Amino acid sequence: QLQLQESGPGLVKPSETLSLSCTVSGGSISSRTYYWGWIRRPPGKGLEWIGSMYYSGFTYFNTSLKSRVTISVDTSKNQFSLRLSSVTAADTAVYYCARHGPPEYTSGGFDYWGQGTLITVSS
Amino acid sequence: SYELTQPLSVSVALGQTARISCGGNHIGSKNVHWYQQKPGQAPVLVIYSDTNRPSGIPERFSGSNSGNTATLTISRAQVGDEADYYCHLWDTSTAVFGGGTKLTVL
Repeated sequence: QLQLQESGPGLVKPSETLSLSCTVSGGSISSRTYYWGWIRRPPGKGLEWIGSMYYSGFTYFNTSLKSRVTISVDTSKNQFSLRLSSVTAADTAVYYCARHGPPEYTSGGFDYWGQGTLITVSS
Repeated sequence: SYELTQPLSVSVALGQTARISCGGNHIGSKNVHWYQQKPGQAPVLVIYSDTNRPSGIPERFSGSNSGNTATLTISRAQVGDEADYYCHLWDTSTAVFGGGTKLTVL
């Protein structure tokens, strides 16, 4: 059974960089079938896609966050990571990593999710 | 950018049928996915590509998509179906989520 697990600091100071990792178990992040993404849910708001990547390193992002986001992969650790720079209180949210099929294909839904990790931006 | 519109809330009597809409421009030409999210839990994919149920999702959950509206239908609603529901699609390699609908079972 595929499992994803986020790990991160919990608390980040304003203007600093948020760094999260997602460790995949029960399957390979190098699968040619799937993509890997980050989604967040701010308190009292809905889901917001941050960005996704393919094992080859190809990435694509939410245009509203693109200037601050980096997504990278470490296939040796079966892990992918998110970096969000210059954070503000508006970046406080539960952050999820998830797997999905090729965008705009029938399998493009996010079918496996991590449990989520709450990131609070505060001094 | 593409936008998806969902009602903020839907109420349904226990055992009746709930319908949650997701509006978007020519959404019928796209693959729409639906998620259920309960408090404190990660979202769960309940419908993919308009009408398909992942393994383990009850047959009470079904979907349709035509024109400018996609719909998630929950038959014989149960208290355990109370959750936030989100529609999602991809538009030019961008994932778009609807604002979410809170389902209340009365």
